[in-house]
Amino acid sequence: NAGVTQTPKFQVLKTGQSMTLQCAQDMNHEYMSWYRQDPGMGLRLIHYSVGAGITDQGEVPNGYNVSRSTTEDFPLRLLSAAPSQTSVYFCASSYEGPLFSPLHFGNGTRLTVT
Amino acid sequence: QQQVKQSPQSLIVQKGGISIINCAYENTAFDYFPWYQQFPGKGPALLIAIRPDVSEKKEGRFTISFNKSAKQFSLHIMDSQPGDSATYFCAAPEPTRPTNDMRFGAGTRLTVKP
Repeated sequence: NAGVTQTPKFQVLKTGQSMTLQCAQDMNHEYMSWYRQDPGMGLRLIHYSVGAGITDQGEVPNGYNVSRSTTEDFPLRLLSAAPSQTSVYFCASSYEGPLFSPLHFGNGTRLTVT
Repeated sequence: QQQVKQSPQSLIVQKGGISIINCAYENTAFDYFPWYQQFPGKGPALLIAIRPDVSEKKEGRFTISFNKSAKQFSLHIMDSQPGDSATYFCAAPEPTRPTNDMRFGAGTRLTVKP
């Protein structure tokens, strides 16, 4: 039972490069989301999805794109990386959404943009 | 937008002591208040959650106390153990969005000394 799987675990990008962070869950959860974690700021919601084909913005969406073609996968795309996007990124899924049921997090992707 | 204020930022407790972490929120239209525990290199995991139709919830050594009128809730860890050393995050529902956003506190790094 893998839960939420994120790849890669570490990534270094140069300013202006693009990349996709992968996230997959095997719990058949309709709700999936992406957070970034920065020191002293807790976790901030980037984008979320309540089901295949449905996405919405969170608190800090600028510079990121998402899509949800299947229940299992929710990739996060950085369009043109900036040093301000240096952070640890967590993907999470939830049975009924975070306002009603627990979030299940992956182990994160540590991204450095130089 | 919801601000969740968590204190203290860091906490050092002797083994067997009581750890207390506090959170304050501004407003909410929902009633699910979780605490997440995060070990280094891992994603956060739900520790305990409360719905404020009760003022206290206990699970083993962990207790949430909730004061709805004061808009505050706290985590108490009784008989703290070195294995409890982790970062703890409280979260409160964001009331200005229809659904699906929890606002996290900045985190408390707990160290339990043997």
